Amino acid sequence: SQTIHQWPATLVQPVGSPLSLECTVEGTSNPNLYWYRQAAGRGLQLLFYSVGIGQISSEVPQNLSASRPQDRQFILSSKKLLLSDSGFYLCAWTLGGNSPLHFGNGTRLTVT
Amino acid sequence: DAKTTQPTSMDCAEGRAANLPCNHSTISGNEYVYWYRQIHSQGPQYIIHGLKNNETNEMASLIITEDRKSSTLILPHATLRDTAVYYCIVRVAMNYGGSQGNLIFGKGTKLSVKP
Repeated sequence: SQTIHQWPATLVQPVGSPLSLECTVEGTSNPNLYWYRQAAGRGLQLLFYSVGIGQISSEVPQNLSASRPQDRQFILSSKKLLLSDSGFYLCAWTLGGNSPLHFGNGTRLTVT
Repeated sequence: DAKTTQPTSMDCAEGRAANLPCNHSTISGNEYVYWYRQIHSQGPQYIIHGLKNNETNEMASLIITEDRKSSTLILPHATLRDTAVYYCIVRVAMNYGGSQGNLIFGKGTKLSVKP
């Protein structure tokens, strides 16, 4: 069966520090991968998606970036964090078609 | 904006069936109905989805009305661990991935299962 791993679970970082969140999927090949952010009490905002290695599309301009160095690995990064980057970050995967999105357990990022 | 309407909250007794309604009166012919739930501080968990036929899996049943303007998620024997926020979402199938993967989560229904 397929599983998705996301780490770390929680992270506290000072303003201006770099960020690297990692997500890996097991048990499937060539998944579509997604990074979302969920603000407290609000819906999910799509940040980046990838349909293949090295292919990244950005939905929201910001100081975050994403990379997909391997088929089942998706990384969210920032060179300098802002206070507004605080939030709950979720990685997700799907095989496309009418297949559902499957989410990781998320990383709660607090920028201080 | 979310294309669905759900009650803000519901209570259910443990061991009873929980029936969660969702209105999606503007649903298009190619849009599926998906249900997710989210327990505090965890990622959303996929439950079930369907196009027009009723669906059942090990977690729940999905009943979609004939006109597809509403649906009901049924948890046949609710347990305390089913306490969560339940989201009903409509979305087209993704032919090639990409931004169609965007899920518009509304406010959902907070289900409280009580002993």
